[in-house]
Amino acid sequence: GESVGLHLPTLSVQEGDNSIINCAYSNSASDYFIWYKQESGKGPQFIIDIRSNMDKRQGQRVTVLLNKTVKHLSLQIAATQPGDSAVYFCAERRKGGTSYGKLTFGQGTILTVHP
Amino acid sequence: DAGVTQSPTHLIKTRGQHVTLRCSPISGHKSVSWYQQVLGQGPQFIFQYYEKEERGRGNFPDRFSARQFPNYSSELNVNALLLGDSALYLCASSLEELSGANVLTFGAGSRLTVL
Repeated sequence: GESVGLHLPTLSVQEGDNSIINCAYSNSASDYFIWYKQESGKGPQFIIDIRSNMDKRQGQRVTVLLNKTVKHLSLQIAATQPGDSAVYFCAERRKGGTSYGKLTFGQGTILTVHP
Repeated sequence: DAGVTQSPTHLIKTRGQHVTLRCSPISGHKSVSWYQQVLGQGPQFIFQYYEKEERGRGNFPDRFSARQFPNYSSELNVNALLLGDSALYLCASSLEELSGANVLTFGAGSRLTVL
């Protein structure tokens, strides 16, 4: 079936290390991918997005890579800090239809940063 | 500026009861979407409303309904509650129909527990 999923449910890193969170998607009919961060007791918070016609996009300390050949999305966090500890979700928006507010989320990866 | 606000933050209901959850979008945002997040999973799309009209509906039973008011606030109603309806209900707003630059901004959610 159509889904957006994550390879690793948990990731533990040391403070200062770089983190890479991966996501696989199965539906080619997506025009937009987004990474969200969710801290305990809060709603998902937008981190960075990328359109399907791009391969890479950089933000502040974060980079998203999109490989459409293997339907793979990754989020790289540079110099990871304890405040980065959270659950990270990838989400996709599929082309067409009338609902632009419909995102399909993956399962999530728990990132734990150790001081 | 206030973000997306949801009420109540927590509530407990029993099976068979009805619940109404409320959402106020960011000022100026005309689109509201509702998501259900079961513990340990990513959010699942329930509804999107734009300019008071339903623009999309996820795979949820007719027990779930929603509406959007002239001031763009929204209500999510769930009838005949089941134990499986226990979840965090998230509301998200966007400036207009999601077109890449207009990301979804989520509220903190309403935690529903059905006993």
